[in-house]
Amino acid sequence: DADVTQTPRNRITKTGKRIMLECSQTKGHDRMYWYRQDPGLGLRLIYYSFDVKDINKGEISDGYSVSRQAQAKFSLSLESAIPNQTALYFCATSDQGERGAPNTGELFFGEGSRLTVL
Amino acid sequence: AQKITQTQPGMFVQEKEAVTLDCTYDTSDPSYGLFWYKQPSSGEMIFLIYQGSYDQQNATEGRYSLNFQKARKSANLVISASQLGDSAMYFCAMREGNYGGSQGNLIFGKGTKLSVKP
Repeated sequence: DADVTQTPRNRITKTGKRIMLECSQTKGHDRMYWYRQDPGLGLRLIYYSFDVKDINKGEISDGYSVSRQAQAKFSLSLESAIPNQTALYFCATSDQGERGAPNTGELFFGEGSRLTVL
Repeated sequence: AQKITQTQPGMFVQEKEAVTLDCTYDTSDPSYGLFWYKQPSSGEMIFLIYQGSYDQQNATEGRYSLNFQKARKSANLVISASQLGDSAMYFCAMREGNYGGSQGNLIFGKGTKLSVKP
């Protein structure tokens, strides 16, 4: 089983619908992130969270909201989906790095959720 | 200004030859980390290699090496002895600040699509 699991993996929806993408992790990491990937634009940060009480906006948070239900769960919502939110969405985690060992801050990614808004 | 620049949208390399993927970065923070990720056509993000700004030696991981030129702010990925399975998108990314003291997110370039020819 994957350490970082995203559901659904693929979703087609219509403009105006509410969509939730879910992410759960078994790595025990404190930090979780949502990124969006568009062709030719790389990955851009939507939201990030350091723990259940600490949620922060990223570069492109407009039109999105998130919920950190538990250390292991971080969901992304599109309250009213629009076609330009069609993209590949990635959840990622990283270790807080306060355990004394060197930590590069590598991000561990889920397999991605491909969302199409018609 | 872009923080991470990958100037090669696409590249071709002959199987068994070496290839260099370019990456330049822009930061005023003396502490940072540089990463390369591979994204095959299946979509997952695979971590390849990491270089810290204070690391004295260039990072190597098997057939991957990172040509780190700090003064030029470049962090090129070198893949030796290319294989057909190396065909993928490659992303360069940067974390600004020490990992523990920063927000930890990575800033990604737009990617380079590498195609390995048999």
